[in-house]
Amino acid sequence: SAVISQKPSRDICQRGTSLTIQCQVDSQVTMMFWYRQQPGQSLTLIATANQGSEATYESGFVIDKFPISRPNLTFSTLTVSNMSPEDSSIYLCSAPRGASYNEQFFGPGTRLTVL
Amino acid sequence: QQPVQSPQAVILREGEDAVINCSSSKALYSVHWYRQKHGEAPVFLMILLKGGEQKGHEKISASFNEKKQQSSLYLTASQLSYSGTYFCGTEGGTSYGKLTFGQGTILTVHP
Repeated sequence: SAVISQKPSRDICQRGTSLTIQCQVDSQVTMMFWYRQQPGQSLTLIATANQGSEATYESGFVIDKFPISRPNLTFSTLTVSNMSPEDSSIYLCSAPRGASYNEQFFGPGTRLTVL
Repeated sequence: QQPVQSPQAVILREGEDAVINCSSSKALYSVHWYRQKHGEAPVFLMILLKGGEQKGHEKISASFNEKKQQSSLYLTASQLSYSGTYFCGTEGGTSYGKLTFGQGTILTVHP
């Protein structure tokens, strides 16, 4: 089974700054996904990180605010740029696993607080 | 369109059963079920891919009615460890891998 790790696990940042979150999968996967979970809320898909091409963003999320890199099949980064308190959330990456690559597993998440 | 989960919350005694429903207005390719405990990431429970499919292991099972675009999660003889927030994540036919999550159902199991 794929193991997914994220760094940092949590951070407290000042408004106006940027934070880059790393996601590492222990096996090669075609697609990785980035989700946001605001306090007490459900999960919302930010974007799909495709290896070798630009990330594809969901409605309401833009590349300037959430730039994503995907340099290889096991690694991705999400940057939260020019942060405001409204960006305080848990950010999670996910990747498919299993023989048919249908099951989605999540990393442990990055808890971000913006002051 | 976010799938709708019901109920929003349920409180059980150990040993009691519960059903959590997930309903979508869109045609579905799959339904994923997760449990999330406070301060932790969602944990994958199961995926249902085919219409009318029912899956399960031990005391947690689920069904998927593709025609009705609905899925239900069945928790039988609940244990304290079942407490948490349950989310369904739905995947449309043209959105491979992208999940849209319901608002969650908070399950509390008391001794």
